[in-house]
Amino acid sequence: KAGVTQTPRYLIKTRGQQVTLSCSPISGHRSVSWYQQTPGQGLQFLFEYFSETQRNKGNFPGRFSGRQFSNSRSEMNVSTLELGDSALYLCASSSGTVETQYFGPGTRLLVL
Amino acid sequence: GENVEQHPSTLSVQEGDSAVIKCTYSDSASNYFPWYKQELGKRPQLIIDIRSNVGEKKDQRIAVTLNKTAKHFSLHITETQPEDSAVYFCAASKGAQKLVFGQGTRLTINP
Repeated sequence: KAGVTQTPRYLIKTRGQQVTLSCSPISGHRSVSWYQQTPGQGLQFLFEYFSETQRNKGNFPGRFSGRQFSNSRSEMNVSTLELGDSALYLCASSSGTVETQYFGPGTRLLVL
Repeated sequence: GENVEQHPSTLSVQEGDSAVIKCTYSDSASNYFPWYKQELGKRPQLIIDIRSNVGEKKDQRIAVTLNKTAKHFSLHITETQPEDSAVYFCAASKGAQKLVFGQGTRLTINP
């Protein structure tokens, strides 16, 4: 099976802009989780979508949102970008019934 | 909420020796404990995981042990090789797709 894919791989934005990241899970997987990875805070959970519904949510402000489509592909949106949003954004794919998660290559976002 | 502490933050071992990384968790309801390996510029890769109904699991040179009473779990790598050099992350979850990660251990294998 093909692995988890994420687009774009790299992104440069300026403060105040918004950004949308995309994640395609492993075929047959219905759960997509999003994580933010930074040198200072490590890997932090943003939210999880299962069958088009947000099932779990982390402690991030409302500027971070997501959605999932009927084909299980997921998008994450960050509005009003801040410098501190610069990070590697990883999505992880899971069947949804078993906890095992497989990560995509990530999208590296730089906010200037 | 759940908190996962990971030690050491850096570890350097001679090739062929063993490496041990330890994690403690705070929520006794956590029941799933995966370990991920992340090489520079690459995605985290699942290397082994354990569930709370099991005390130990092995996969070739890698093993994980879990002590539910003490709320800690450890990764053991034997006969280390240069390709084992990477950052290793432990994580915990309560049966949901929300993983809480440790801060990571940078493992360096010296030839």
